[in-house]
Amino acid sequence: DTAVSQTPKYLVTQMGNDKSIKCEQNLGHDTMYWYKQDSKKFLKIMFSYNNKELIINETVPNRFSPKSPDKAHLNLHINSLELGDSAVYFCASSQSNRNTEAFFGQGTRLTVV
Amino acid sequence: DQQVKQNSPSLSVQEGRISILNCDYTNSMFDYFLWYKKYPAEGPTFLISISSIKDKNEDGRFTVFLNKSAKHLSLHIVPSQPGDSAVYFCAAQGIFGNEKLTFGTGTRLTIIP
Repeated sequence: DTAVSQTPKYLVTQMGNDKSIKCEQNLGHDTMYWYKQDSKKFLKIMFSYNNKELIINETVPNRFSPKSPDKAHLNLHINSLELGDSAVYFCASSQSNRNTEAFFGQGTRLTVV
Repeated sequence: DQQVKQNSPSLSVQEGRISILNCDYTNSMFDYFLWYKKYPAEGPTFLISISSIKDKNEDGRFTVFLNKSAKHLSLHIVPSQPGDSAVYFCAAQGIFGNEKLTFGTGTRLTIIP
């Protein structure tokens, strides 16, 4: 039973398109995240939501819009895709107590052509 | 500005020997440190963590050491096994009021049978 699941696993799309990546966690956590791993393998946080409220937005372009319909879901919508958006996107969740680990999804490899 | 650094992109170790992975950080506000293991096409999985009030934490074959004065931590795996071959990420969490993780760039560990 997958703890953090994200779909799709692979996404190939053309520049200028709009696409969404979905994420769901069944761990009962109250905090969810989106991380981006770029071509240099650098894993960096993009957004964090706690109880459906945005608490972190790390200077991500406005074309990226997270949406959290409930505590168990955090979707990522990307408008007007650019070549530089090609990366692996990881969803994660944790409980908002201090000093606790985050659990990651399997990742979505986005390729913009 | 890379606040968490793993200066060795790769490491090869003979099976049965000790693997030592290193990590340095610059931000003195970090107070909790984690190691994640990542296989290809999978998300990072939590391995072991350490709070800044400790200098050592052990879990089976895995031990993490923290030297706060040097802002350095290391992960020791002994004995190393073929299944340990993966990319290892060091991550840090700070007293910032949120739970975001700041990751290093990873070290690819290869265990030679």
